[in-house]
Amino acid sequence: DIQLTQSPSFLSASVGDRVTITCRASQGINSYLAWYQQKPLKAPRLLIYAASTLQSGVPSRFSGSESGTEFTLTISNLQPEDFATYYCQQLDSYPWTFGQGTKVDIK
Amino acid sequence: QVQLVQSGAEVKKPGASVKISCKASGYTFTSYYLHWVRQAPGQGLEWMGLINPSTDRTTYAQKFQGRITVTRDTSTSTMFLDLSSLRSEDTAVYYCARVSYYDFWPLMDVWGQGTTVTVSS
Repeated sequence: DIQLTQSPSFLSASVGDRVTITCRASQGINSYLAWYQQKPLKAPRLLIYAASTLQSGVPSRFSGSESGTEFTLTISNLQPEDFATYYCQQLDSYPWTFGQGTKVDIK
Repeated sequence: QVQLVQSGAEVKKPGASVKISCKASGYTFTSYYLHWVRQAPGQGLEWMGLINPSTDRTTYAQKFQGRITVTRDTSTSTMFLDLSSLRSEDTAVYYCARVSYYDFWPLMDVWGQGTTVTVSS
């Protein structure tokens, strides 16, 4: 199975900050990577697919990038509604796997 | 609008089975694969398996092989998850999710609201 390692597991930030979350895959996944946002008691919400393509309706302050097997989610100008947990997911091969999550909390 | 609506919460005893449903609406049921993902309390997301509603073909995570069965009823546009030999570690919220393909890129773009399954003696 492909392992995804997210870092950090937790980060504190303030409104207006620029936040970066990293997801490292245990092997190449051909850009088949998605990012999700999840708020308490809610289903995940797709933010980005194909490593860097913004899902329709997602604010442009969210962006994704990749370098080899390392993927990055960046939130620029953090807004109050962005405080949540973020997960990466690989869709290259079954079983599709998720990173362990990064909780973004208010400083 | 496109939506997936799941059945209600379940409480089961260890060793029992549970069957939960996911009803699709607002799109052609047989045109999109459907998946199951679960989340134990305070934990991350775990992919369980999928079904192609058009062909009834399934793929399961090795971890659940022998205990999981995913089926569908095209007449009601509903997918089902059957999980047997339940243990306390199966206590989780179970989500169904639709997978779309955009320019051949897969994406889980529509999710159900989740079904809580509690396994307790």
